Amino acid sequence: EPEVTQTPSHQVTQMGQEVILRCVPISNHLYFYWYRQILGQKVEFLVSFYNNEISEKSEIFDDQFSVERPDGSNFTLKIRSTKLEDSAMYFCASLDTGNTGELFFGEGSRLTVL
Amino acid sequence: EDQVTQSPEALRLQEGESSSLNCSYTVSGLRGLFWYRQDPGKGPEFLFTLYSAGEEKEKERLKATLTKKESFLHITAPKPEDSATYLCAVNTPLVFGKGTRLSVIA
Repeated sequence: EPEVTQTPSHQVTQMGQEVILRCVPISNHLYFYWYRQILGQKVEFLVSFYNNEISEKSEIFDDQFSVERPDGSNFTLKIRSTKLEDSAMYFCASLDTGNTGELFFGEGSRLTVL
Repeated sequence: EDQVTQSPEALRLQEGESSSLNCSYTVSGLRGLFWYRQDPGKGPEFLFTLYSAGEEKEKERLKATLTKKESFLHITAPKPEDSATYLCAVNTPLVFGKGTRLSVIA
């Protein structure tokens, strides 16, 4: 069964460092998303990406965040200068066609900022 | 602003003991209500989509229903493998509730 894969599974970084989280969406999918879940909190939308550009972003997704699809398979989330409050589980998700809520999520990347 | 509230926060059932999880929502317009299952340390897994009041969807021991203000996830004769956190979300991009953590004891 096709799946969304994310790396790394866990990353520990120092405050102020840059972090890149990587995702390989399902191969025929066209819509890509990043969500995050702070421990004990709700899953929150960060950004959606379609046709090589951001289609929507939340207030959380400020200038410290960026996304990129550098080749035909990877989808990355970059945090330029991490803060303690960026510690969370980051989920990548993808969708084949249409803007529905039936997303396929990866297993997540746990980011710990010290 | 879309809002989703789920209750109870946690639910402990004996195997075979049926129950329901509640999802109350406030939206300016509903374009879809979604149920997901999340196992510990994993990403959410899609279960159901509901679009209009009165709609019902079923999958094995789970049935989701929708009214104009809330949705219920009914679990009939649950098994230990049904233990997970069940998330409700509305619209796109998805706005999630905090979830109900279900434990089914053998």
